Amino acid sequence: KQEVTQIPAALSVPEGENLVLNCSFTDSAIYNLQWFRQDPGKGLTSLLLIQSSQREQTSGRLNASLDKSSGRSTLYIAASQPGDSATYLCAVRLQGAQKLVFGQGTRLTINP
Amino acid sequence: NAGVTQTPKFQVLKTGQSMTLQCAQDMNHEYMSWYRQDPGMGLRLIHYSVGAGITDQGEVPNGYNVSRSTTEDFPLRLLSAAPSQTSVYFCASSWNDRGGGYTFGSGTRLTVV
Repeated sequence: KQEVTQIPAALSVPEGENLVLNCSFTDSAIYNLQWFRQDPGKGLTSLLLIQSSQREQTSGRLNASLDKSSGRSTLYIAASQPGDSATYLCAVRLQGAQKLVFGQGTRLTINP
Repeated sequence: NAGVTQTPKFQVLKTGQSMTLQCAQDMNHEYMSWYRQDPGMGLRLIHYSVGAGITDQGEVPNGYNVSRSTTEDFPLRLLSAAPSQTSVYFCASSWNDRGGGYTFGSGTRLTVV
């Protein structure tokens, strides 16, 4: 059974720092991995989608990497801002199954 | 704006009542799904559909029904609401291929009293 783990569960850093969020998964048989952002009481906003054949994707200050063989992904946020405060979720799309498996999320707080 | 639209945003039901959560997408995605999000449990798949007329169960289907008569719409029906169905419900859609990313709606917050 695929399990997705995100570490840390919560992170608080001062504004301007670069930071890394971690996601690990137990089964490498995935089509892709997707990072989402969720603000309190809101829906999920897709940040980055990495296909299983790719190593990384970038969007603005965000960079996500994928090492499928080791079952790891990282989300790098450069020059963090208070507006980056949210919960970040990673999810893998399983091969042979019509579903996403989510991690529990990392709750990020950026302090001004 | 293109995306996934869910209605209502909030709902309070009494135990035993029934209701339908609406979901519509305008991206011509074949695949649509319903998740529920609960504290400590994360997001769990309730039902999904790979196209009009085709539906299947996810991890937690009991107490819910779905149908898919059009590509655009995928309603979720609660047959007889129970307090255990208090949750936030998200609808999601994607292209039905291995590379497709998911687009989520803004959610429906349901409370059953």
